[in-house]
Amino acid sequence: QKEVEQDPGPLSVPEGAIVSLNCTYSNSAFQYFMWYRQYSRKGPELLMYTYSSGNKEDGRFTAQVDKSSKYISLFIRDSQPSDSATYLCAMANFGNEKLTFGTGTRLTIIP
Amino acid sequence: DTAVSQTPKYLVTQMGNDKSIKCEQNLGHDTMYWYKQDSKKFLKIMFSYNNKELIINETVPNRFSPKSPDKAHLNLHINSLELGDSAVYFCASSQDSNYNEQFFGPGTRLTVL
Repeated sequence: QKEVEQDPGPLSVPEGAIVSLNCTYSNSAFQYFMWYRQYSRKGPELLMYTYSSGNKEDGRFTAQVDKSSKYISLFIRDSQPSDSATYLCAMANFGNEKLTFGTGTRLTIIP
Repeated sequence: DTAVSQTPKYLVTQMGNDKSIKCEQNLGHDTMYWYKQDSKKFLKIMFSYNNKELIINETVPNRFSPKSPDKAHLNLHINSLELGDSAVYFCASSQDSNYNEQFFGPGTRLTVL
């Protein structure tokens, strides 16, 4: 079993819909949780960064962490075609520089 | 101004050759990384340097040798290239080794024929 599991998709939704992306993990020592967005042929860019359990909102994006269920989510409201990309979740232990990534979910927003 | 840059962007080469990829960051960060992303988009760390010192060395064939001449540069040399080395290689940097926010370069797409 991989340390971090993520549905690779592809996921296609119409413009304006709410998108839900998820990851599960097995390592209970993970404390830092991130979402990266990667456009085609580009490097990943950090979208959201959360520590421990709870919610964090930034514009149209909301990250949720449920450590008891070992489950994290990224919600995108009012999705736009420019949101079409691969979304990668990533996690790290406290004080550990090593990020463990999910496989990424390819998202397409249809105009 | 580019924060993390890599050269070359594309690299096509024959099996058995030796090649290098260069990375530079102008963010003043102390820690730099090399990642490999396979065809299924899985991103896996290979190496990490903090202030020119190797701190992460994952299970990578010893044909891969990183070198950090200073904290702004991290190069990757690959000897005796194999077909399975074909992938996109990303360099990244972070403020220090305890800070998880990493900034990625644009990637080097390596194709071994």
